[in-house]
Amino acid sequence: EDKVVQSPLSLVVHEGDTVTLNCSYEVTNFRSLLWYKQEKKAPTFLFMLTSSGIEKKSGRLSSILDKKELFSILNITATQTGDSAIYLCAQGGPGAGSYQLTFGKGTKLSVIP
Amino acid sequence: GAGVSQSPSNKVTEKGKDVELRCDPISGHTALYWYRQRLGQGLEFLIYFQGNSAPDKSGLPSDRFSAERTGESVSTLTIQRTQQEDSAVYLCASSFYPDTQYFGPGTRLTVL
Repeated sequence: EDKVVQSPLSLVVHEGDTVTLNCSYEVTNFRSLLWYKQEKKAPTFLFMLTSSGIEKKSGRLSSILDKKELFSILNITATQTGDSAIYLCAQGGPGAGSYQLTFGKGTKLSVIP
Repeated sequence: GAGVSQSPSNKVTEKGKDVELRCDPISGHTALYWYRQRLGQGLEFLIYFQGNSAPDKSGLPSDRFSAERTGESVSTLTIQRTQQEDSAVYLCASSFYPDTQYFGPGTRLTVL
């Protein structure tokens, strides 16, 4: 059973639309929730959300963490074609001694002109 | 400074051959990770190095896979007797603080 589940698996929108990407995770040994953007091969870091930082914003991107319901969302407003990518969500854990990240399968976002 | 670098960027090999993939982490990053990403799939954790501690090898899929790291620098991932199911992009990441991992460009391995 997957521990980190992302939805939708793929999404096609027009430039200017606002999108919301979802990520649910397990509570066991939760330490952090991370979002990455993957355009070709290398994922690039977007946000990290922890108990002490449950909302982050950078330009048109923002993310919140709901620790009660065990999910996070990534919002992108006024989408551009350059936002087309796979967006990966990852849970940090388990345990303080292990820095393993467990990734979801990703959401493929396509922004068309 | 420079980001994480990996070499080669692409590798095509025949089934049964051994391959070595290299990763140069960001200078000063004490932690290094290897992941595998099959086509259309998420990232699959393989192995993690932290300083001089014993590596966490819990994600290695078989004993054909091994990895080494020299101090807090270069790491090599070796796959022996490659199989077609080993075809994937192999990603390396490094970090200084917990969890915020920075990824290299990856090596695309194709086993014919």
